[in-house]
Amino acid sequence: GAVVSQHPSRVICKSGTSVKIECRSLDFQATTMFWYRQFPKKSLMLMATSNEGSKATYEQGVEKDKFLINHASLTLSTLTVTSAHPEDSSFYICSAMTGAGYEQYFGPGTRLTVT
Amino acid sequence: SQQGEEDPQALSIQEGENATMNCSYKTSINNLQWYRQNSGRGLVHLILIRSNEREKHSGRLRVTLDTSKKSSSLLITASRAADTASYFCATSNQAGTALIFGKGTTLSVSS
Repeated sequence: GAVVSQHPSRVICKSGTSVKIECRSLDFQATTMFWYRQFPKKSLMLMATSNEGSKATYEQGVEKDKFLINHASLTLSTLTVTSAHPEDSSFYICSAMTGAGYEQYFGPGTRLTVT
Repeated sequence: SQQGEEDPQALSIQEGENATMNCSYKTSINNLQWYRQNSGRGLVHLILIRSNEREKHSGRLRVTLDTSKKSSSLLITASRAADTASYFCATSNQAGTALIFGKGTTLSVSS
């Protein structure tokens, strides 16, 4: 089956630093990847849609200069949290789809803690 | 933005009992999906029901969809302690677009 990985699974960083999270589709080519954010005991909120080779589309309220998304290949999208602050601490989950249908494949998530 | 509500927000039952979770949504959809999430983990896809389907089964799971009421239900029969997790519905109205998630139901099954 389709597998999506995320790296790292957990990261702790200091306030003011930047953190990069990778999302990879391991056995299929993902024309579209999505980045979600999840606060404790809450649902997933879509942050942005990432299409290979083009700029990401951000949801309202998500700062594109703070959450940099790059979808450089059909198997890799990265989310960089720049100048991280404690309020950026969250669970970040990516998903990938082939674009041929509706099925999305989710990564295992990355727990970011900013101290 | 979130599509709608799940209810109940939390559900506690005993092993062997059935668990029913409901989901309502606001806009027209192509399909509705249910996901499970164990604490601090990623999402596991459970089942997808298309807008022209009314009911679907998968093992101990039964999903219904009522597009006239914009609602869906997930029934887990003969629950087990391992079913303890959060359950989310998610909708999609166009191929290639993101899913919109409901708020989720936290299910606790005690043995």
